[in-house]
Amino acid sequence: NAGVTQTPKFQVLKTGQSMTLQCAQDMNHEYMSWYRQDPGMGLRLIHYSVGAGITDQGEVPNGYNVSRSTTEDFPLRLLSAAPSQTSVYFCASQKWPTQYFGPGTRLLVL
Amino acid sequence: DAKTTQPPSMDCAEGRAANLPCNHSTISGNEYVYWYRQIHSQGPQYIIHGLKNNETNEMASLIITEDRKSSTLILPHATLRDTAVYYCIVRVDNNDMRFGAGTRLTVKP
Repeated sequence: NAGVTQTPKFQVLKTGQSMTLQCAQDMNHEYMSWYRQDPGMGLRLIHYSVGAGITDQGEVPNGYNVSRSTTEDFPLRLLSAAPSQTSVYFCASQKWPTQYFGPGTRLLVL
Repeated sequence: DAKTTQPPSMDCAEGRAANLPCNHSTISGNEYVYWYRQIHSQGPQYIIHGLKNNETNEMASLIITEDRKSSTLILPHATLRDTAVYYCIVRVDNNDMRFGAGTRLTVKP
């Protein structure tokens, strides 16, 4: 199993640009989530999904959209990038009691 | 969710036991204590969880006080590779996990 994969590993955007961060898992987990981690801070939940077709907001959802058309994939869309969205983004899937995290995407918005 | 309090940083000598405390005085009866760690720049890694009883696995031991208001994660023989930020999280389930600042453990040679 590859576990949780994320692409790209690193991305630079200009303010106002949009992009999609990809996340995929091959463990057939129903629950997936997206977190962001700012320098020196803990992780904050952006959006999560309890299964295909079902998504919900986490702690910091503004500026981000998600969809879940398949069990495997959970992309995160930045609608209009802002410098405040410069962060490291982690995707996770879970089967109780464990969350499995991807390697992260480092995003820099200029 | 119950709020957790952890020291911001701790040091431990290599080969010695690392004891990481966590206070969760408002924990509810059906809330679990989860521990994760994050090694530099990587995604967090699950370590262990418990409800009431002490737990042990290949990575660590979890000691929960009888009143469940605090717990201690024990790494029995810390190595340099155990240097990481350790997060204590209290939840009923493991959905919508809230990671705070955690404890930065530095294992020194």
